[in-house]
Amino acid sequence: AQSVTQLGSHVSVSEGALVLLRCNYSSSVPPYLFWYVQYPNQGLQLLLKYTSAATLVKGINGFEAEFKKSETSFHLTKPSAHMSDAAEYFCAVSGDGGYQKVTFGTGTKLQVIP
Amino acid sequence: DTEVTQTPKHLVMGMTNKKSLKCEQHMGHRAMYWYKQKAKKPPELMFVYSYEKLSINESVPSRFSPECPNSSLLNLHLHALQPEDSALYLCASSQDPRQGRTGNTIYFGEGSWLTVV
Repeated sequence: AQSVTQLGSHVSVSEGALVLLRCNYSSSVPPYLFWYVQYPNQGLQLLLKYTSAATLVKGINGFEAEFKKSETSFHLTKPSAHMSDAAEYFCAVSGDGGYQKVTFGTGTKLQVIP
Repeated sequence: DTEVTQTPKHLVMGMTNKKSLKCEQHMGHRAMYWYKQKAKKPPELMFVYSYEKLSINESVPSRFSPECPNSSLLNLHLHALQPEDSALYLCASSQDPRQGRTGNTIYFGEGSWLTVV
């Protein structure tokens, strides 16, 4: 069965510093990978997705992620953190069991320190 | 702004009540989903409808009853719920299940906060 592991339930960075949120996946078929962001008391917003077209995926708000098959990783990065980036971030995978079954990681809460 | 609209945003109901959550999308998507999210937890899939037919039921208790009246609407009927069912219920949609990988970016609504008392 597919799964996602997000390393670090809480990550703190200073404003202007690099953001790195880690995600490792497991899937028996070529995966479809996502990063979603959830602001307090809101739904999930898609940041970016991996569709196998390119290993470096650019998303909204300056975020990007790199698919590394050899490391089964899909880490999310942003060169310079902004206060508005403070939120919960979920990595997700689909593929095993059909591409409609999306499995989410446990989430990483990003804190941005002024 | 999300293009998946959910109502109501907040719902408080007693354990003997019958209520419904509603979801609407006008993106022409042919798959719609219900997820349940408890505080500080990831969303958990409950149901998937493809072309208005129930395609996935993740062993959800029968006190939750989904309905898909047409391709734009998705309801979740609630009856005899328990306090532990209190959660954020998220509706989502995706383009075309027949497209497999390429058609399956899932877009979420803002959610309905349910409190069972």
